[in-house]
Amino acid sequence: DQQVKQNSPSLSVQEGRISILNCDYTNSMFDYFLWYKKYPAEGPTFLISISSIKDKNEDGRFTVFLNKSAKHLSLHIVPSQPGDSAVYFCAASALTLGNQFYFGTGTSLTVIP
Amino acid sequence: DSGVTQTPKHLITATGQRVTLRCSPRSGDLSVYWYQQSLDQGLQFLIQYYNGEERAKGNILERFSAQQFPDLHSELNLSSLELGDSALYFCASSPMGLPYNEQFFGPGTRLTVL
Repeated sequence: DQQVKQNSPSLSVQEGRISILNCDYTNSMFDYFLWYKKYPAEGPTFLISISSIKDKNEDGRFTVFLNKSAKHLSLHIVPSQPGDSAVYFCAASALTLGNQFYFGTGTSLTVIP
Repeated sequence: DSGVTQTPKHLITATGQRVTLRCSPRSGDLSVYWYQQSLDQGLQFLIQYYNGEERAKGNILERFSAQQFPDLHSELNLSSLELGDSALYFCASSPMGLPYNEQFFGPGTRLTVL
């Protein structure tokens, strides 16, 4: 049962525009969310995280928004750059659920120069 | 470079065989996680170790086992291999293995079962 879902397998955006990647979750116990970025032939690398006590966290061009009532989070990249082309995974965890991280299936972002 | 190393990078073997994947965590990290990524799938959590002890178990098959050694490196053993075990296997490490710790991933081992 996939508790974290990324329903868009791919997304294409023009350079300089905003990229919005979405993630939905089903378990209301999740209280910590992360985004990872993965280039081909490499392991995922941590990008940004958010705790459930916040609804927004910003780091440079990357902002994550959390809507707990909708069980939805999104990653905004502004402005998008060709180097942002990668697969993006969202993940969720909760202390009450043990130490397991639950990952989505990923969204492949292509930023067109 | 995350500081996490995994060997081998690629592994090709036949059904029914047994293989061992190796992971060395970042210096100072006590916890190691193993993940499986099959085609078009997300990262499926397999198992976590902390300082040599098993801490959490995910969807790990009984044919698979793992351990973490005193020097903190970890091995994932896959036996009686089936075609469906072909996947990318990632190891990740974190300092204390808590749900709010960022995990640092290795480059993965690509296993192909023929």
